[in-house]
Amino acid sequence: QLQLQESGPGLVKPSETLSLTCTVSGGSISSTSYYWGWIRQPPGKGLEWIGTIYFIGSTHYNPSLKSRVTISVDTSKTQFSLKLSSVTAADTAVYYCARQTWTGGYYFMDVWGKGTTVTVSS
Amino acid sequence: DIQLTQSPSFLSASVGDRVTITCRASQGISSYLAWYQQKPGKAPKLLIYAASTLQSGVPSRFSGSGSGTEFTLTINSLQPEDFATYYCQQLNSYPLTFGGGTKVEIK
Repeated sequence: QLQLQESGPGLVKPSETLSLTCTVSGGSISSTSYYWGWIRQPPGKGLEWIGTIYFIGSTHYNPSLKSRVTISVDTSKTQFSLKLSSVTAADTAVYYCARQTWTGGYYFMDVWGKGTTVTVSS
Repeated sequence: DIQLTQSPSFLSASVGDRVTITCRASQGISSYLAWYQQKPGKAPKLLIYAASTLQSGVPSRFSGSGSGTEFTLTINSLQPEDFATYYCQQLNSYPLTFGGGTKVEIK
């Protein structure tokens, strides 16, 4: 059964770069039916899509974060990663990675990691 | 960007009630809509995709309908484990967007 696990520092200083990795286990990261995404949720608020990557490296980013976000994939390690630069307190959130499946012409996010809390504070 | 507006943002209901949540898109998205359930401290769980297709393993009391700009999630005979927050998401085009959420609480 496919599982996703986020990892990375739980505390990041303002103006620094937030770096998280999502490890995919129990399945292939290179399947043509799957994309891989990052979503975040500030405390007490709703879900915000950050970006999505395909195993060949093509990406889509949220325009509101695009200037600060980089998502990359390492198929040899079955991992994909998120970097968010110049963070502020507004970037404090639970960060989730998720599998975005394409089937029958439709996309959906069917497998999620448990999430990791990142706090931006000095 | 496509905006999704969920209503209500909060509802109070009793076990056994029928509950309906609406999600309106700022422009037509065909049937490219998914619904998720999120419980406190947990990741979202996919309930429905393609507006009306029930994800494997999800109880049949959950159903989805709609296309274009108006969608509904219905929970028939609300169960204690259904008290949670529900989100819609459009996957018609990037950037992907979520609705603001509907919190379903026990009356």
